[in-house]
Amino acid sequence: QVQLVESGGGVVQPGGSLRLSCAASGFAFSSSNMHWVRQPPGKGPEWVTIIGPDGNAQHYADSVKGKFTVSRDNSKNTLYLQMNSLRPEDTAVYYCAKDIAWGFDYWGRGTLVTVSS
Amino acid sequence: QAVVTQEPSLTVSPGGTVTLTCGSSSGAVTSGHHPCWLQQRPGQAPRTLIYDTTNKHSWTPARFSGSLLGGRAALTLSGAQPEDEAEYYCLLSYTLDRRVFGGGTKVTVL
Repeated sequence: QVQLVESGGGVVQPGGSLRLSCAASGFAFSSSNMHWVRQPPGKGPEWVTIIGPDGNAQHYADSVKGKFTVSRDNSKNTLYLQMNSLRPEDTAVYYCAKDIAWGFDYWGRGTLVTVSS
Repeated sequence: QAVVTQEPSLTVSPGGTVTLTCGSSSGAVTSGHHPCWLQQRPGQAPRTLIYDTTNKHSWTPARFSGSLLGGRAALTLSGAQPEDEAEYYCLLSYTLDRRVFGGGTKVTVL
């Protein structure tokens, strides 16, 4: 069965960095576009980024452009999100999701990132 | 930056029908926006019900359907069940790097 398991969340000070991981299994990861979506506590989701199957194509929301970098290691079936210059407004649960036709099918359970001093 | 609008809350009777809509401040929603509908219950991750306007996943109950209605994307729930009480979000994709969620609709089954 398809599984997406995020990890790497935690508490980080403003200005700090964090790298999230998403371990994928149960589907052809190396053939799939993958997304990161975040959801601040008590608010709606916000799309963050998408990466193509071979990692060469990436697109970002304006709110994270230049701060976040998405990457993947197809040999490890793992998706990453490198987050730099973090601010309190980046506090959210971060989900990885598998792409289908401009939308999503499978989602992970998310990992919480808290940016606070 | 386009704003995606949804009804803040809707109430439906058990067994009843309700339609949630999703509009865009930039004009009519079309199939080119590839509307996607998510369901999120409290404390859970979102799950996708509808993608690309009308397509269902294997786990999408038959009582949910997606469409375009009067320049908006629509999610219709026919025969509401207590377990359908949740927050519902739509996503519109304007370009490869501009994908915007609506603010969500809280559906109460009462």
